[in-house]
Amino acid sequence: DAEITQSPRHKITETGRQVTLACHQTWNHNNMFWYRQDLGHGLRLIHYSYGVQDTNKGEVSDGYSVSRSNTEDLPLTLESAASSQTSVYFCASSKAGAGYNEQFFGPGTRLTVL
Amino acid sequence: DQQVKQNSPSLSVQEGRISILNCDYTNSMFDYFLWYKKYPAEGPTFLISISSIKDKNEDGRFTVFLNKSAKHLSLHIVPSQPGDSAVYFCAASGRYGGSQGNLIFGKGTKLSVKP
Repeated sequence: DAEITQSPRHKITETGRQVTLACHQTWNHNNMFWYRQDLGHGLRLIHYSYGVQDTNKGEVSDGYSVSRSNTEDLPLTLESAASSQTSVYFCASSKAGAGYNEQFFGPGTRLTVL
Repeated sequence: DQQVKQNSPSLSVQEGRISILNCDYTNSMFDYFLWYKKYPAEGPTFLISISSIKDKNEDGRFTVFLNKSAKHLSLHIVPSQPGDSAVYFCAASGRYGGSQGNLIFGKGTKLSVKP
């Protein structure tokens, strides 16, 4: 069955370190998204991609970067982790084109920055 | 400014009764609305959606109503079951600015269904 996976599921790191969160989908979806979920804020979009070599900034992109070298993967990198980036991160994917709004979410990565 | 608002952070309902979750939006360009359900330690899962050309969509115990003039939608769960206890997110999408497929989420409403 097609799926979307995230790794690691839990990560503890120190302030200033570079961290990369992996997202892999086997739906063959063109669109991929990264969100963070925080209490009182719901789901906020960090970065998104509509296809290979395409990346775009979302609502809360400062301190994060993504790259899309193939259809299946969209890794999220925290260049220099900060305590404010402690959060739960969700990756999602969807088909491209009009009428395809439903996004499929991964199980999430809980990141703690000490 | 929030474009999708869920003004009730939490809702408690007795098993067997109706649960009504509300969502308001401000952008008239939104033309597709979705509800997601999220259990702790899991990713959100799609529940039900509605296009702006409709005012109602039903799927089993779940019905979504859309009132475009009021920019308001609601999710009705009848009858409510303890397994429905979760956080429900309202999301909206539109065909504007090239951001096709992007969703704007509300902050969520935590539903508790008491046995």
